[in-house]
Amino acid sequence: EVQLLESGGGLVQPGGSLRVACAASGFTLSSYGMSWVRQAPGKGLEWVSGISGSGDSTFYADSVKGRFTISRDNSKNMLYLQMNTLRADDTAVYYCAKCISWDTRASVDHWGQGTLVIVSS
Amino acid sequence: DIQLTQSPSFLSASVGDRVTITCRASQGIISYLAWYQQKPGKAPKLLIYGASTLQSGVPSRFSGSGSGTEFTLTISSLQPEDSATYYCQQLNSYPITFGQGTRLEIK
Repeated sequence: EVQLLESGGGLVQPGGSLRVACAASGFTLSSYGMSWVRQAPGKGLEWVSGISGSGDSTFYADSVKGRFTISRDNSKNMLYLQMNTLRADDTAVYYCAKCISWDTRASVDHWGQGTLVIVSS
Repeated sequence: DIQLTQSPSFLSASVGDRVTITCRASQGIISYLAWYQQKPGKAPKLLIYGASTLQSGVPSRFSGSGSGTEFTLTISSLQPEDSATYYCQQLNSYPITFGQGTRLEIK
């Protein structure tokens, strides 16, 4: 059974940094693209970043480019999102998402339960 | 960036009704479109990918169609458990984008 378990969310001050992580199990992580998708309170879904199965290719939304870094450690079955220079509008539930293929330009067939990041002073 | 516009934004329908949600893309995306269902407090669930392929385990009352710039999600006979918000997503080019969502209420 595919499982994705996020961790690392919490309260951080504007301008601060946070790293959220996703522990993957039940599938071979290196065979699939992975993404982070976020949802601000009461708002819609926003794709944040994606990484290919090998980790060679990464992609970002314009809103986070230069501030966020996606990475993966296939040997540990882990996906990460390093978030720097956080702003109030980064406040959201962050979902770890498994794509249906190695390509990040693929639909998401499994989601984590989400981890809440609150950026506030 | 490719913009996706869903219509309507809110829909109220009765059990047994046939319901259609439209997603229009600001430029052609071939068939690189997915549909998701999200219930309050839960993660989204994949319904349709490749514009018309039903995800495994999804009831056959859900169907998707379209290509290019106009796509539809149809629920052939609405059930009480279909109350949710529905999102389309384009996967043709980066950045990947979602529609704004359609909230479906059961009367």
